[in-house]
Amino acid sequence: GAGVSQSPSNKVTEKGKDVELRCDPISGHTALYWYRQSLGQGLEFLIYFQGNSAPDKSGLPSDRFSAERTGGSVSTLTIQRTQQEDSAVYLCASSPRLSGLAKNIQYFGAGTRLSVL
Amino acid sequence: AQTVTQSQPEMSVQEAETVTLSCTYDTSESDYYLFWYKQPPSRQMILVIRQEAYKQQNATENRFSVNFQKAAKSFSLKISDSQLGDAAMYFCATHQGAQKLVFGQGTRLTINP
Repeated sequence: GAGVSQSPSNKVTEKGKDVELRCDPISGHTALYWYRQSLGQGLEFLIYFQGNSAPDKSGLPSDRFSAERTGGSVSTLTIQRTQQEDSAVYLCASSPRLSGLAKNIQYFGAGTRLSVL
Repeated sequence: AQTVTQSQPEMSVQEAETVTLSCTYDTSESDYYLFWYKQPPSRQMILVIRQEAYKQQNATENRFSVNFQKAAKSFSLKISDSQLGDAAMYFCATHQGAQKLVFGQGTRLTINP
């Protein structure tokens, strides 16, 4: 596609429910990243995928958070048993390749705004 | 770990004037990039400009330029001839390793007509 696509754009859920957020990266991009942006804050790294390598999950805040990337393309971020503090904008980014800092430009989607009531 | 600090939560400027947004950073990387991203109300982060740390020449992109002071670990963004479309949140960032970006808290820029 022309850019990184995320769905849904907005999601309202009740505390304790599970949610799935989807990211469709730019075609051909091998690296995919998830970030969380709490209200009025900067972005916080969550997880990173590169090709078929094991993902870097070092930013996931708890075991309620998980993500997968199928076929090296689309990624799904799952939050189980949502809590009010999970309310934030979840942004996805992709980049062409890992090797070389010159390739480290990340292209972002418009994010999913998650509201947990 | 890398840290990025933006000390100006909000800035405002008159249309057509020049404004400078401040950023300081700390990094353990020997070679690194610095970035300024713009986030309009649409929420999408848009790359404005990037600087390679090993280059002494400051990066420029049309009306956007940076003042990179490596020894002081300072990386400010100058916007010349400000336009209404420049109104947005601006985030300074660097990378940790080759993967994740580390962002500052952002500066909200308002353009006054």
